[in-house]
Amino acid sequence: GENVEQHPSTLSVQEGDSAVIKCTYSDSASNYFPWYKQELGKRPQLIIDIRSNVGEKKDQRIAVTLNKTAKHFSLHITETQPEDSAVYFCAASSAAGNKLTFGGGTRVLVKP
Amino acid sequence: NAGVTQTPKFQVLKTGQSMTLQCAQDMNHNSMYWYRQDPGMGLRLIYYSASEGTTDKGEVPNGYNVSRLNKREFSLRLESAAPSQTSVYFCASISGGAGDTQYFGPGTRLTVL
Repeated sequence: GENVEQHPSTLSVQEGDSAVIKCTYSDSASNYFPWYKQELGKRPQLIIDIRSNVGEKKDQRIAVTLNKTAKHFSLHITETQPEDSAVYFCAASSAAGNKLTFGGGTRVLVKP
Repeated sequence: NAGVTQTPKFQVLKTGQSMTLQCAQDMNHNSMYWYRQDPGMGLRLIYYSASEGTTDKGEVPNGYNVSRLNKREFSLRLESAAPSQTSVYFCASISGGAGDTQYFGPGTRLTVL
């Protein structure tokens, strides 16, 4: 089955700096890659996603890039703010398209 | 719309007790999922239901059973709870298949003593 690895497990950045989280996946047939943000004690919520026919997608301060050849994708957060502090999860869909495999998560701390 | 709802929010069980976690969605979604999230870890799929009347095992199904009662409801049952099942359980649903956003419920925090 699919295996998703996520790095780093923790990330501390100064407010205003950029944060980058990287994920690799194993199943070359995976074609959908969402990113979720989970605040303490809350449910995961989708923040951005990318499909395999697109190399990059941007939404305000958040961007995701996908390299299908290398089977990795990354989340970029620019101009970080304290409210960006949370755990971020990457995921990849199965070839069948109806199951997500999640990475282990990255705890991001934005220091004021 | 309430989205995805789960009951209960918190539960404490003793080893060997049984219980059912309830999940319902009002978005007319076809597929529903149960995940567990252990402290400091990602989400692991327990069971899922691609459509009403079907269920399939995920990554960690042992010790659990599920029922897709109708299109709205998907329940998770622990027949004989064990301390290793202490976790936060999330239910989720999506409309169709590949590329659809997966919406999560608020979670159930379960402790097994």
